[in-house]
Amino acid sequence: DIQMTQSPSTLSASVGDRVTISCRASQSVDKWLAWHQQKPGQAPKGLIYTASNLQTGVPLRFSGSGSGTDFTLTISSLQPEDFATYYCQQYSGNSTFGQGTKVEI
Amino acid sequence: EVQLVESGGGLVQPGRSLRLSCRTSGFRFGDYAMSWVRQAPGKGLEYVAFVKSKNSGGTTEYTTSVRGRFSVSRDDSNSIVYLQMNSLKTEDTAVYYCCRDNGGNSRAVEFWGQGTLVTVSS
Repeated sequence: DIQMTQSPSTLSASVGDRVTISCRASQSVDKWLAWHQQKPGQAPKGLIYTASNLQTGVPLRFSGSGSGTDFTLTISSLQPEDFATYYCQQYSGNSTFGQGTKVEI
Repeated sequence: EVQLVESGGGLVQPGRSLRLSCRTSGFRFGDYAMSWVRQAPGKGLEYVAFVKSKNSGGTTEYTTSVRGRFSVSRDDSNSIVYLQMNSLKTEDTAVYYCCRDNGGNSRAVEFWGQGTLVTVSS
């Protein structure tokens, strides 16, 4: 299986900060990479697919980039509701998730 | 509005079976692949099972740890997806989420259900 490694595991930030989360694949997944957000006690929510396309209704402060093995999720100006855990998901072959990045105050 | 509602979770002894159901609404069920993703207590997400749309052959896929024990199926007439779990182990304890892809049998999860908790314990 393709292994997905996110960094950092935890990120401390303030409202208004620009935040960047990285996701690295153990082999190329081309553009087949999604990002999800999960708040405590809630189900995850889909944010981005094919590396850079926003799901319907996702605020424009979220963006994704990358291809091959290296990907990035960026939040341009962190809002209070963005404090959550973020997961990358590759779906090039059998799908796998990264271990998650917790964005905390 | 897309809705995915899981049911069937609960406490079960090791070695026993359980069937999860996911009732869906708000979209053309037959056009989409469906999947199950689980999350053990305090842990990350694990992709468990996937079934393509019937138009694409209804092919199924499983993560290694459940292959041969779990079976995913779909009832397009009633817009329901199932996960049959046999020979359950304590390490199968998790919240199980029903998921819909974003089209084209891509496995990219767009919508998530609220989840149902499965606890495997004696």
